[in-house]
Amino acid sequence: KNQVEQSPQSLIILEGKNCTLQCNYTVSPFSNLRWYKQDTGRGPVSLTIMTFSENTKSNGRYTATLDADTKQSSLHITASQLSDSASYICVVSDRGSTLGRLYFGRGTQLTVWP
Amino acid sequence: EADIYQTPRYLVIGTGKKITLECSQTMGHDKMYWYQQDPGMELHLIHYSYGVNSTEKGDLSSESTVSRIRTEHFPLTLESARPSHTSQYLCASSVRDGFNEKLFFGSGTQLSVL
Repeated sequence: KNQVEQSPQSLIILEGKNCTLQCNYTVSPFSNLRWYKQDTGRGPVSLTIMTFSENTKSNGRYTATLDADTKQSSLHITASQLSDSASYICVVSDRGSTLGRLYFGRGTQLTVWP
Repeated sequence: EADIYQTPRYLVIGTGKKITLECSQTMGHDKMYWYQQDPGMELHLIHYSYGVNSTEKGDLSSESTVSRIRTEHFPLTLESARPSHTSQYLCASSVRDGFNEKLFFGSGTQLSVL
């Protein structure tokens, strides 16, 4: 069964600290893995997209890693800010050139305290 | 920032009413999607369209219907709303970007059926 599991379910950190969110998947075939940020009451916004040949990709203070062999990805947030408080969703696609089938995780709810 | 708009943002309605959730995009994307999301849960695809006059059902069974008469608009209709339809509805569109298909989301409509 194709699945995307994220951990932790929720996380509280202090402003300025770093954190790492995890994503494990069993989707096959694998085409790409996406990380989205979803603010409360808003739609998800894309942070990174990585294909199987990419190990790491950065977007400002966000750095995503991918290990296609172990089917694991992580999203590292550096020097967190209050505006980083959101749900972070891992999404795996089984096809690249078309949208294919997208498998969504349930997200990690991150709260950054001052 | 994606140019994809959803109205209304919030809707509270009584059981049995007919409702239409509007979605429009100004990016000229052919592909559009409707997702349903409950709190703390993953997004589920309920409808998609590959272009004008094309509509398909998604992975999650839904009593809603969609139409695609114009490229820019992809409205979703519930003929008779029920409390079980209470959820957040997210509209999205996508476009090919190199090897990948990039997905853009609207801000969502939070529907509450009493």
